[in-house]
Amino acid sequence: ETGVTQSPTHLIKTRGQQVTLRCSSQSGHNTVSWYQQALGQGPQFIFQYYREEENGRGNFPPRFSGLQFPNYSSELNVNALELDDSALYLCASSLTLIDEQYFGPGTRLTVT
Amino acid sequence: KQEVTQIPAALSVPEGENLVLNCSFTDSAIYNLQWFRQDPGKGLTSLLLIQSSQREQTSGRLNASLDKSSGRSTLYIAASQPGDSATYLCAVRKEDSSYKLIFGSGTRLLVRP
Repeated sequence: ETGVTQSPTHLIKTRGQQVTLRCSSQSGHNTVSWYQQALGQGPQFIFQYYREEENGRGNFPPRFSGLQFPNYSSELNVNALELDDSALYLCASSLTLIDEQYFGPGTRLTVT
Repeated sequence: KQEVTQIPAALSVPEGENLVLNCSFTDSAIYNLQWFRQDPGKGLTSLLLIQSSQREQTSGRLNASLDKSSGRSTLYIAASQPGDSATYLCAVRKEDSSYKLIFGSGTRLLVRP
């Protein structure tokens, strides 16, 4: 049990819609990273937030955006959903940038 | 650009066998390397973390080694059990401003009773 929680567990959306996924980090962890895992693939880095500021971004378009809040929670927002956005979305929190990342159980997003 | 490759992609063994999973990476500028286990549809469970200055880590029946200069790591599982059936992912921690994890595609392991 890592103490990192994500909601919802599963989500079904229609192409073109917008979605917000949520993550609650372990208390005191000031860094959160988001990853996208397509079926049969390893997770791909989307972006990272450190002390509420974006601190690095992977090869994802601007319609993927995020927020980190002072209460150690964070959000991943995806606009104009596409079929290829169907994946498991994982968040990971760490005490600082260089400390071990602890993963949540993920949110399974299906876009139809 | 850092790339992580895992071989084999899938493996099926009878219960009791010792087995080795392989991971290779192209850029030796890593902060650490981590092995994860993932059950179908679930999140990631960290198994072993090896810092770049270390050569190996052990936990129970698991042993992971790291050869940073050659860009390789192996995960050794002793006396495999059906409960070990899962996907095993290797990830390197990039040594840059984000220290992000870069994952391989994983090895799907099936241990037959």
